[in-house]
Amino acid sequence: KAGVTQTPRYLIKTRGQQVTLSCSPISGHRSVSWYQQTPGQGLQFLFEYFSETQRNKGNFPGRFSGRQFSNSRSEMNVSTLELGDSALYLCASSLAVRGTGELFFGEGSRLTVL
Amino acid sequence: EDQVTQSPEALRLQEGESSSLNCSYTVSGLRGLFWYRQDPGKGPEFLFTLYSAGEEKEKERLKATLTKKESFLHITAPKPEDSATYLCAAHSGGGADGLTFGKGTHLIIQP
Repeated sequence: KAGVTQTPRYLIKTRGQQVTLSCSPISGHRSVSWYQQTPGQGLQFLFEYFSETQRNKGNFPGRFSGRQFSNSRSEMNVSTLELGDSALYLCASSLAVRGTGELFFGEGSRLTVL
Repeated sequence: EDQVTQSPEALRLQEGESSSLNCSYTVSGLRGLFWYRQDPGKGPEFLFTLYSAGEEKEKERLKATLTKKESFLHITAPKPEDSATYLCAAHSGGGADGLTFGKGTHLIIQP
């Protein structure tokens, strides 16, 4: 059974640019969550989607957005990149209706902002 | 504000030397306490979920326990392959549905 797939795995952007990250959940999982991981702050919740609806959003500015498609695949977008957005962005899928059951994480997309 | 604090930040043990990792939490109405393992360059891997004080769960050399304020991850006779960062996370009923993670304990088991 294929795990959670995230693309791209690595990317480098410059300040002011925007970036789109993609996540394909485990087949049959309809809940997708996104987390940002940095050495200083650890893992922080970005948002959660279920059946194409954003169920909740963490404490991040409006530059961070996401969406989920009918096939449960999800994307997140960060606009007007700042140096502090450099991080590992992790996607997780879950069978639970609310995404905070057992989460299955992808390997992440490592974003470097120069 | 929900908070999860893990200690120690780092721990180095000899192979076979048992120890415990601590996770203290302050959340509004705990709905679940989770333990994950993260290897370098990988996403976190689910280990356990605990729901109520007094609950215990075991998997191989790991045992997780839960009280009303803390959770412990006990590692018995660890092996080098147990080296990883162990993350604790809480799901509260009072705020965002996402998990609140601690910053992890980086565990090194020396042969």
